[in-house]
Amino acid sequence: EDQVTQSPEALRLQEGESSSLNCSYTVSGLRGLFWYRQDPGKGPEFLFTLYSAGEEKEKERLKATLTKKESFLHITAPKPEDSATYLCAVQAAGRRALTFGSGTRLQVQP
Amino acid sequence: DAGVTQSPTHLIKTRGQQVTLRCSPKSGHDTVSWYQQALGQGPQFIFQYYEEEERQRGNFPDRFSGHQFPNYSSELNVNALLLGDSALYLCASSGFGQPWGGTDTQYFGPGTRLTVL
Repeated sequence: EDQVTQSPEALRLQEGESSSLNCSYTVSGLRGLFWYRQDPGKGPEFLFTLYSAGEEKEKERLKATLTKKESFLHITAPKPEDSATYLCAVQAAGRRALTFGSGTRLQVQP
Repeated sequence: DAGVTQSPTHLIKTRGQQVTLRCSPKSGHDTVSWYQQALGQGPQFIFQYYEEEERQRGNFPDRFSGHQFPNYSSELNVNALLLGDSALYLCASSGFGQPWGGTDTQYFGPGTRLTVL
């Protein structure tokens, strides 16, 4: 059974204080790992897809990396508008479903 | 470019009733997936539709059913509502309809908040 565990559950940062969110996964043949951002009461917003270990992707203050067992979402010099829940999901080979973790709630204070 | 749209935004029902939720996929997409998200949890996969057929199903009872129309839009139906069905229902669309081709990044709509009293 595919499993995704995200840590920490919640994170409070000061504006400009860089940090990393962790996503550990167990999957029978990784087809893709996905990061989404979700604001309260809204649908997840797509950020990145990673396909293989060693791959990295960047977008503004966010950088996602992937190993064979986990992925990290690095946030550099965050701003209050980066406050949201960040969700990690995996898609296994031969499957259509995304399996999600419970997310990390990030709060960035000015 | 229109994104994924869902209706209604909010819905209140009582136990035992039936509900229908609607979704229009992102322009150019032909595959629709439905997810249920309880408060404080990640989304849980219900099923996926492609070419008007249910292609894969998650661990949800038969009370949950769906349909896809020729224009790729989709409906989620839930019968005999239970209190535990209260959740945010998310529709996601993707563009890779071929059986095993590519990694189909799924784009989500804003969701429908269902409250069962």
